[in-house]
Amino acid sequence: EAQVTQNPRYLITVTGKKLTVTCSQNMNHEYMSWYRQDPGLGLRQIYYSMNVEVTDKGDVPEGYKVSRKEKRNFPLILESPSPNQTSLYFCASSPSTQMGGTDTQYFGPGTRLTVL
Amino acid sequence: AQSVTQLGSHVSVSEGALVLLRCNYSSSVPPYLFWYVQYPNQGLQLLLKYTSAATLVKGINGFEAEFKKSETSFHLTKPSAHMSDAAEYFCAVNFGNEKLTFGTGTRLTIIP
Repeated sequence: EAQVTQNPRYLITVTGKKLTVTCSQNMNHEYMSWYRQDPGLGLRQIYYSMNVEVTDKGDVPEGYKVSRKEKRNFPLILESPSPNQTSLYFCASSPSTQMGGTDTQYFGPGTRLTVL
Repeated sequence: AQSVTQLGSHVSVSEGALVLLRCNYSSSVPPYLFWYVQYPNQGLQLLLKYTSAATLVKGINGFEAEFKKSETSFHLTKPSAHMSDAAEYFCAVNFGNEKLTFGTGTRLTIIP
């Protein structure tokens, strides 16, 4: 089944404890992206990757890191989480090789993160 | 500045009534326009998208949207609401770059 998977689905952690949220897609998509969803703010893009080894900042990159060493995986890293990073996170992928934002994006099920 | 505006964070309609969810954008270039739906505890899935082929776009589950350049709008409609349509709906716009900009979402409630 074609899908985007995220792990973990739920995570409660404490301030300053490094964490990684994994994202994997099995559709051979070039473009991958991370979003955070907050009430009243919709989805905001954190980072995106046009292809392997190419990543760029979205609208809210502060406090996050990403890496794209393989086409299928795009982990989101929080080096020192803070309470304002408590949110619902979505990974998405798209087949587009050029303008990633013009093609349909396929979303993972989400990761609900709470930072105490 | 390029932006996406969804009017009404909450919309309630009776079962069988018309659904109208509004989306306006500001851009000087023709955009790519999308509507995504998020059912409770799920990720987003594409309802429909406009890519300049036709101004009236039909999507899944009986939804459609009309691109009106003069009004910079892309409102989502469905003639007859069903209980299963209860969800959050997001308008999203690509302004000709690598990113997708989302509106703040509209939560649709269906009244039995």
